[in-house]
Amino acid sequence: DAKTTQPTSMDCAEGRAANLPCNHSTISGNEYVYWYRQIHSQGPQYIIHGLKNNETNEMASLIITEDRKSSTLILPHATLRDTAVYYCIVPSNFGNEKLTFGTGTRLTIIP
Amino acid sequence: SAVISQKPSRDICQRGTSLTIQCQVDSQVTMMFWYRQQPGQSLTLIATANQGSEATYESGFVIDKFPISRPNLTFSTLTVSNMSPEDSSIYLCSVVASGPATYEQYFGPGTRLTVT
Repeated sequence: DAKTTQPTSMDCAEGRAANLPCNHSTISGNEYVYWYRQIHSQGPQYIIHGLKNNETNEMASLIITEDRKSSTLILPHATLRDTAVYYCIVPSNFGNEKLTFGTGTRLTIIP
Repeated sequence: SAVISQKPSRDICQRGTSLTIQCQVDSQVTMMFWYRQQPGQSLTLIATANQGSEATYESGFVIDKFPISRPNLTFSTLTVSNMSPEDSSIYLCSVVASGPATYEQYFGPGTRLTVT
C-alpha cells in the first residue's frame, strides 16, 4: 500500500469545518484514496473515497490535489459525535481489498 | 450495506485456553477479513477468510495460532489458540460491500478479549 502521513491529532470547534490532511506522495495513477474513521469502542466506519476528482457525500468532502500527492477530508459542520480517529488509506493493487491502517489522526471536537 | 454481528462481545480468558469468535453477516458477501487491534494501536489484518478453502494469512500470523473457518458466504469464525496475555486485543471482522470497483468495508463491533 502507498504510505500515508497524517498529523497525530487535531482539535476543531463544534460547528466549524474540520479539515484533515493526508500526504500520499507515492500514490500510483490508479490507486484510490479512502477515508475511514473509528469512534471509540466501535469498528471503523467508511467515510468516502476518490481517485482524481473531488468527492462529496452526506458525511464529508474529499479534496484531492491535482498531482494526487495529498488530500484533505472535510467535515463541513463538525459535531461532538465526529470525535474519532480518522484514517487515510491508499490500498495497493486494483482489486486488492486489504486495508492497511496507519496511526491516523485523532480528531477532538471541542464544545 | 451489510450489518455484522460478533459473538462474544467481550471475554476474559485464562492463558493457555482458546476462544472462538463468531462473525455473522446479514447478507452474502464475497470477502471477509479478520483484524486485530491491540490496546492503543491501530488495526492489523490477520487474514482473509476464504469460503470453502483455507484462509490467507498475513505475515506474522499463522494458522495454528489463529485458525479460521468460513463455511458459507455469511459466517466466519476466528479462534485464538493457546492464549497468552499478549493476545489481549479487540478482534474485528469486516466484509467488502458488493459493487464494482470499491474497497468499502463494513466492520463488526469487535470482540474485546482479555487474557489473564
